[in-house]
Amino acid sequence: DIVMTQSPDSLAVSLGERATINCKSSQSVLYSSNNKNLLAWYQQKPGQPPRLLIFWASIREFGVPDRFSGSGSGTDFTLTISSLQAEDAAVYYCQQYHSRPRTFGQGTRVEIK
Amino acid sequence: EVQLVESGGGLVKPGGSLRLSCAASGFPFSTHRMNWVRQAPGKGLEWVSSISSSSSYIYYTDSVKGRFTISRDNAKNSLFLQMNSLRVEDTAVYYCAGDYGDSGLDAFHMWGQGTMVTVSS
Repeated sequence: DIVMTQSPDSLAVSLGERATINCKSSQSVLYSSNNKNLLAWYQQKPGQPPRLLIFWASIREFGVPDRFSGSGSGTDFTLTISSLQAEDAAVYYCQQYHSRPRTFGQGTRVEIK
Repeated sequence: EVQLVESGGGLVKPGGSLRLSCAASGFPFSTHRMNWVRQAPGKGLEWVSSISSSSSYIYYTDSVKGRFTISRDNAKNSLFLQMNSLRVEDTAVYYCAGDYGDSGLDAFHMWGQGTMVTVSS
C-alpha cells in the first residue's frame, strides 16, 4: 500500500496569513500514461463530509476559492491557503488514487490563531 | 444538484449484520464508479470498497474482504454495502462517495452526509 504522510499534524495561522500543508507519498503517484499526479486534497469541517478541493495535485474543483492551491509532483505535494479565512478552519487530507487501496494521509488540523 | 443520501446505519452487536444504502440523484449514476469510505470516531478517512459502473470491477480493503459486499442497482440509482460478521473496529461513519467517471483513476468528487454504524455489545 502507498503510505501518505502529512505534516504538520496541526497548525495555527492568523487570519489573512498563509497556511501550508505538506504531503509525502511512499511511492510516486505520477501516472505515466497521462503524466498527471493522482493526488487529491480534501477539506472536512466538524460534522460534515469531506469536500474535494484539489485533484491531479493542482486542479481546483469547481467552486473552490482561488486562495487554495496545490503543487508538487512524484512523492512530495503541498496545499497552500494563501490568505486564511475564518471558514477555512478544518481538517485537511491528502489522498492518492494512483494505486489500490486509495489511501489518505492522517489529516492536518488548521486552526485560527 | 448532486445528492448522495446514505441510510441503514445503527447499533449492532459484534458478529451481526447491517445493509447500508446510498440513494443517488442529480447525475448519471450508471456511468460513475462508486465507493464506500469510512471514518472511525475522531479518526481519519479510510477507503472501504469500490464498484465500477457496470459492477464488473469490485475491490475491498483487506480488513473487510470476505465480510462486506458492495453492489449497485443502476435502474434505481442506488449503491449498497452488505456488512456481515461486524467487529467493534468497524464502528465508523460510512460515506458513499462517487468518482468523476469510471476509470478508477479519479478522486472522490461527490460525497454523501454519511451514516453511523456502531458495533458494540
